[in-house]
Amino acid sequence: SAVISQKPSRDICQRGTSLTIQCQVDSQVTMMFWYRQQPGQSLTLIATANQGSEATYESGFVIDKFPISRPNLTFSTLTVSNMSPEDSSIYLCSVEGIGGSYEQYFGPGTRLTVT
Amino acid sequence: AQSVAQPEDQVNVAEGNPLTVKCTYSVSGNPYLFWYVQYPNRGLQFLLKYITGDNLVKGSYGFEAEFNKSQTSFHLKKPSALVSDSALYFCAVRDTGFQKLVFGTGTRLLVSP
Repeated sequence: SAVISQKPSRDICQRGTSLTIQCQVDSQVTMMFWYRQQPGQSLTLIATANQGSEATYESGFVIDKFPISRPNLTFSTLTVSNMSPEDSSIYLCSVEGIGGSYEQYFGPGTRLTVT
Repeated sequence: AQSVAQPEDQVNVAEGNPLTVKCTYSVSGNPYLFWYVQYPNRGLQFLLKYITGDNLVKGSYGFEAEFNKSQTSFHLKKPSALVSDSALYFCAVRDTGFQKLVFGTGTRLLVSP
């Protein structure tokens, strides 16, 4: 399984500002995924990030609001832009297991509170 | 579109008793199914998966799940619950053609001493 770290682990931000979340993996992976878990709810995929290409966003999520970078095979960032209280969530990155094992492994998450 | 349903928001069980957390799925093609557990203030941990093969799959922490194609179900089970099993459990299906996971709404398991 992959070991994934995220920074920051939590943050409290004011509305209108932006926060960039970092995700670091201990092995090279082709695809990385960003999910959002709103309070008391399930996980929803925001986007899929391939190294060297534009991220693919799910319905309801746009690049202007959630820009993603993927500069290499072990790192990605997700920015939450122009934040509002509705953006208060846990943001998680994940990668698929090595060798086509299909399961995904998740980082510990970033708990964001927007005031 | 692929989807999973977890019909129970919460399951209560006494320590030492068997537990079942239910999941049903709707997919086109062969289902790739997963169970994850989320402890408070922690990320998601992978428990087990069904890709192909035996209908009874075994995973971490003594959990197992039974794949039932005729009932389109993938229920999570454990013979003897522990208080430490209390957590939020998610069923998920892998989208065919894409690698993303589609999650159920989650079931909170409470194991009482």
